[in-house]
Amino acid sequence: NAGVTQTPKFRVLKTGQSMTLLCAQDMNHEYMYWYRQDPGMGLRLIHYSVGEGTTAKGEVPDGYNVSRLKKQNFLLGLESAAPSQTSVYFCASTFGGHRYEQYFGPGTRLTVT
Amino acid sequence: GENVEQHPSTLSVQEGDSAVIKCTYSDSASNYFPWYKQELGKGPQLIIDIRSNVGEKKDQRIAVTLNKTAKHFSLHITETQPEDSAVYFCAATPINAGGTSYGKLTFGQGTILTVHP
Repeated sequence: NAGVTQTPKFRVLKTGQSMTLLCAQDMNHEYMYWYRQDPGMGLRLIHYSVGEGTTAKGEVPDGYNVSRLKKQNFLLGLESAAPSQTSVYFCASTFGGHRYEQYFGPGTRLTVT
Repeated sequence: GENVEQHPSTLSVQEGDSAVIKCTYSDSASNYFPWYKQELGKGPQLIIDIRSNVGEKKDQRIAVTLNKTAKHFSLHITETQPEDSAVYFCAATPINAGGTSYGKLTFGQGTILTVHP
């Protein structure tokens, strides 16, 4: 099992450019999450999904969109990148139901200049 | 919504000493409290968790305690080793019978633990 994987690992964007981050999990997890990590602020939830075809907003959703067309994949999109979106992005997944242990991917470091 | 405060932000100990990290939460509905360890350049990894129906849980050298009345929980690491050096995060979320909380975690700000040989 690869667990949770994320692509790409690093990316540099110019302001206004767009990109998509891909998260994949092979654990048959129902729930998936996108977080951003900034120094001194812990991890903050951007968007989440509780099943294929569903998405919902988290704590800091502005400037991001997501899609969950397949159960194993969760995509995070930036339509028009801003310097404030420079961060490390983590994807996580869990079974849901009464099991909430979240498994995290290795992260994507994004820099917007 | 939930707010989680974590202290201290940095902690330096000598190998073999104990380390304690403390968190407080605001939402009395929260009943699931995981702790994550994040090594440099990696994603967070769950090391221990506790649910509010128990007051303490141990796993070898690590333990977590929970005080629901005071709304705080703590991570205890005994006999620290250099490989324990990492950033540690606490988190909280309500888990309800209907499953509508969806496991959305609120994280503390993190503690950088350094264990000196």
